[in-house]
Amino acid sequence: KAGVTQTPRYLIKTRGQQVTLSCSPISGHRSVSWYQQTPGQGLQFLFEYFSETQRNKGNFPGRFSGRQFSNSRSEMNVSTLELGDSALYLCASSPGLTFSTDTQYFGPGTRLTVL
Amino acid sequence: QKEVEQNSGPLSVPEGAIASLNCTYSDRGSQSFFWYRQYSGKSPELIMFIYSNGDKEDGRFTAQLNKASQYVSLLIRDSQPSDSATYLCAVIIEPLGTGANNLFFGTGTRLTVIP
Repeated sequence: KAGVTQTPRYLIKTRGQQVTLSCSPISGHRSVSWYQQTPGQGLQFLFEYFSETQRNKGNFPGRFSGRQFSNSRSEMNVSTLELGDSALYLCASSPGLTFSTDTQYFGPGTRLTVL
Repeated sequence: QKEVEQNSGPLSVPEGAIASLNCTYSDRGSQSFFWYRQYSGKSPELIMFIYSNGDKEDGRFTAQLNKASQYVSLLIRDSQPSDSATYLCAVIIEPLGTGANNLFFGTGTRLTVIP
């Protein structure tokens, strides 16, 4: 079974631009959650989508948004990029709701650099 | 006070010993707790999920939860050099009235198992 895939793996943007990251979950998994990891703030939860609906969310500004498609693939969008958005963005998939299961698999991440 | 606190370590134990990793959390209403392992340069992996007071065992790993004292710990028995990684504790917190859960991570404890 293929694992979680994320595209692109690396991305360089400039301040003020917007970016869209993509995540394809493991086949059969219905939940996709997104995380930001930086050396300073560590790992932080962004949001979770299940059956095309956002179910849980972290403390990020509205510039961070996401969506999930009927095939469970998910995209995350960051608008008006700031230098502080430079980070590794990880997605993870679960068969059920992320927070009620001990089954969760992470993708390799997208490294975003904002110049 | 941070939502989740961990000793950043590093924690060094000899091979074959028991490694004890601790985590405290601030929200008395928290119900669910996770332990993740992250090897250097790799994505996190979910090791354990616990929501009931007491112990939960999975192979060489035991998660312990004490809601009255607001701490959760991870014991690794018969530690192996391959257990050397950063271990992250995470706690689900539901902000009042939002109906959405947020997942807060500790900063992680770096464990080194010495052969």
